[in-house]
Amino acid sequence: GAGVSQSPRYKVAKRGQDVALRCDPISGHVSLFWYQQALGQGPEFLTYFQNEAQLDKSGLPSDRFFAERPEGSVSTLKIQRTQQEDSAVYLCASSLVAGSNEKLFFGSGTQLSVL
Amino acid sequence: GQQLNQSPQSMFIQEGEDVSMNCTSSSIFNTWLWYKQDPGEGPVLLIALYKAGELTSNGRLTAQFGITRKDSFLNISASIPSDVGIYFCAGQLGTNAGKSTFGDGTTLTVKP
Repeated sequence: GAGVSQSPRYKVAKRGQDVALRCDPISGHVSLFWYQQALGQGPEFLTYFQNEAQLDKSGLPSDRFFAERPEGSVSTLKIQRTQQEDSAVYLCASSLVAGSNEKLFFGSGTQLSVL
Repeated sequence: GQQLNQSPQSMFIQEGEDVSMNCTSSSIFNTWLWYKQDPGEGPVLLIALYKAGELTSNGRLTAQFGITRKDSFLNISASIPSDVGIYFCAGQLGTNAGKSTFGDGTTLTVKP
């Protein structure tokens, strides 16, 4: 596709359930990022991949959060034993290379609601 | 960690008016970015600033990188209804283009 695609668009989970959020970056983009955006706030960095290597996971809030990008394209963000505070929009973004002046392209996000 | 204070939190203006919003930080950044986010969408980059003191325009938008490297502002001239949305500033300290610290946004409403 032409842009970053995320699925599902909306996800409702019961507290304690595991969820998996998918991101399809722009074809050929080396860098992939996950951000978490709580209601009324700006996005917060979670983790970064360069190809299949997860180079930075300093923003993951707990060990219940896990991300992978096994073949250097599609990425999955998994949240285990979801809690109500995990409710947020999860944004994926990609860029062509890893340089400092590279433009970031965001997907439309997955809105996660934990009941 | 680093925090960005973005102001104002919201603005209600008349079509045709100019708009100014700013962002301040307690620590320095090497890059300042301004994004616009429409409801249900991801942020879209408007302007990127790479040098202290730099002034950059993109159509009716003008942004400046403060000389202290701790602040930036965004001006929108002659606002139109499609300018409605949430504007975010973001700062980057390192060389990784995607690892940014975002402000909490300025919500702009334009009355026709």
